[in-house]
Amino acid sequence: EDQVTQSPEALRLQEGESSSLNCSYTVSGLRGLFWYRQDPGKGPEFLFTLYSAGEEKEKERLKATLTKKESFLHITAPKPEDSATYLCAVQAVRNTDKLIFGTGTRLQVFP
Amino acid sequence: DGGITQSPKYLFRKEGQNVTLSCEQNLNHDAMYWYRQDPGQGLRLIYYSQIVNDFQKGDIAEGYSVSREKKESFPLTVTSAQKNPTAFYLCASSVGLATTGELFFGEGSRLTVL
Repeated sequence: EDQVTQSPEALRLQEGESSSLNCSYTVSGLRGLFWYRQDPGKGPEFLFTLYSAGEEKEKERLKATLTKKESFLHITAPKPEDSATYLCAVQAVRNTDKLIFGTGTRLQVFP
Repeated sequence: DGGITQSPKYLFRKEGQNVTLSCEQNLNHDAMYWYRQDPGQGLRLIYYSQIVNDFQKGDIAEGYSVSREKKESFPLTVTSAQKNPTAFYLCASSVGLATTGELFFGEGSRLTVL
């Protein structure tokens, strides 16, 4: 069964304290892995797509990386405005009609 | 501005009542989706549609119904058969997941059953 597991469930950081969020996946043929950001009470917002192991994408203080079993979202020198829930999703080659989402990591960055 | 509009943002329902959540998009996307989000669980797919007048069940379709009479609109009805309807409902659209995995989400509708 295709599955996505995110850790930790919650993460509290001091402003400027870099860290990483993990997304482990089990899928029978990965077509793509996606990161989304979700603010409280809002819909998720797309961040990155990764297609193959070794690929990296960057956007401001965020960098996403991909291996054959997991993806990391690295946050460098975070600011309070980076506080949000970060969702990971995978798309399987055998069923490109839908994404399988993890439960998310809730990040809080304190000044 | 292009985007997805969901309404209402908050909705209260008595047990035994059907309710319809609205979703409209002006992005000219072919595909539209309904997800349900509960605390501690990932987004779960209810229904999706890749073309007008056609839709498919997702992973948790029981107790829900949809229609796709226009490209821009994909309303979701939560019927009285849905045993635990209190949740945050998200509508999304895309050019088609076979092309890109990027989903554009609305702001969500929070349904509470009293």
